[in-house]
Amino acid sequence: ETGVTQTPRHLVMGMTNKKSLKCEQHLGHNAMYWYKQSAKKPLELMFVYSLEERVENNSVPSRFSPECPNSSHLFLHLHTLQPEDSALYLCASSLGPAGGKTYEQYFGPGTRLTVT
Amino acid sequence: GDSVTQMEGPVTLSEEAFLTINCTYTATGYPSLFWYVQYPGEGLQLLLKATKADDKGSNKGFEATYRKETTSFHLEKGSVQVSDSAVYFCALRKEVGQFYFGTGTSLTVIP
Repeated sequence: ETGVTQTPRHLVMGMTNKKSLKCEQHLGHNAMYWYKQSAKKPLELMFVYSLEERVENNSVPSRFSPECPNSSHLFLHLHTLQPEDSALYLCASSLGPAGGKTYEQYFGPGTRLTVT
Repeated sequence: GDSVTQMEGPVTLSEEAFLTINCTYTATGYPSLFWYVQYPGEGLQLLLKATKADDKGSNKGFEATYRKETTSFHLEKGSVQVSDSAVYFCALRKEVGQFYFGTGTSLTVIP
């Protein structure tokens, strides 16, 4: 596997379910990100981890819970979601700590989440 | 606050037409600027970048020049192909590290 991978690619869950999204990067990066992409809206940054420490949380509801056990893996735990949480969830990684402006992000293919 | 503004789409062009997608930014300091492309069903891929004023990023026939005087980073391609149909995102990143993305511009190229 190369680049950034995400599983599952598609997920349908009820509002009372608990599920997790997984992201793995094979690039040797040490910063990882979760984004939410909804139709007709800008990309929303949800969480940023640098060197496995959370450095940013953009006021995301507590029903989304991130976990970064090491620099290669990032999870997003989901529980009691709402229909408006249906979106494409993108994971990204970058080289260097979060403070390196020249380092681009590499994105995974995303998980298409539908909350019923 | 820091932000990126892109021209609204969708944009529809005939094959071999000239493409311009406008992007302007608001930021203090000297950000790096990026163009990403998202093909259907996929994540975002870096298309090109420029890290300082007057730099020109280029890739796959696409170009963009970092213009500090006009705070712009417009994407251009001289002759588009059907395979260029995708959504294009302009983005900036500052020293602190957060990325700011535009809303994306959908491009459809028809044969």
